[in-house]
Amino acid sequence: DAKTTQPTSMDCAEGRAANLPCNHSTISGNEYVYWYRQIHSQGPQYIIHGLKNNETNEMASLIITEDRKSSTLILPHATLRDTAVYYCIVRATPYNNNDMRFGAGTRLTVKP
Amino acid sequence: KAGVTQTPRYLIKTRGQQVTLSCSPISGHRSVSWYQQTPGQGLQFLFEYFSETQRNKGNFPGRFSGRQFSNSRSEMNVSTLELGDSALYLCASSPGTDEQYFGPGTRLTVT
Repeated sequence: DAKTTQPTSMDCAEGRAANLPCNHSTISGNEYVYWYRQIHSQGPQYIIHGLKNNETNEMASLIITEDRKSSTLILPHATLRDTAVYYCIVRATPYNNNDMRFGAGTRLTVKP
Repeated sequence: KAGVTQTPRYLIKTRGQQVTLSCSPISGHRSVSWYQQTPGQGLQFLFEYFSETQRNKGNFPGRFSGRQFSNSRSEMNVSTLELGDSALYLCASSPGTDEQYFGPGTRLTVT
């Protein structure tokens, strides 16, 4: 019973911005949007999260639509090391780890 | 700071055996959560420990258990292993906020 949908795979040229979309049309008012990524043979890595305002940190930017039904993770200058599976999830607050359900995610391949 | 460490990284067991996995959280983190990740089911939450007490539990059978020690290190145990228990078992520590920091995982293969 997935709360988010993401494209299965995407390619991006090295040095260009990678824009990864996520649909979460049934998101409720107390749910945040979280992004994680998992590089092959490693544990998931937290990237960013937000409620309704756009967020930016040293890794990425998160753009959330005004109706909160979708969001886009932006990696401004993708490198080969950004090749990974990216997961978008929604989590309520106070947080419940049962919400940490990763689906198939988007497999991003950064090409030279 | 050192990251979350998990031991062993790889493990092969046979059906019916039991296994214990270990996790050392980031220094200062008191919350440790365990997850199972499989290609078919994705990531699923097992349980969370905070200050040696189980604070939250996922929907797994009683064969899966865990504990946390006073130094925040945690172990999880799976008894009577089944083929379907083959998975990547991930541990994540948290300072008490919503951010979770994952370890590299233990890949368990049950034959």
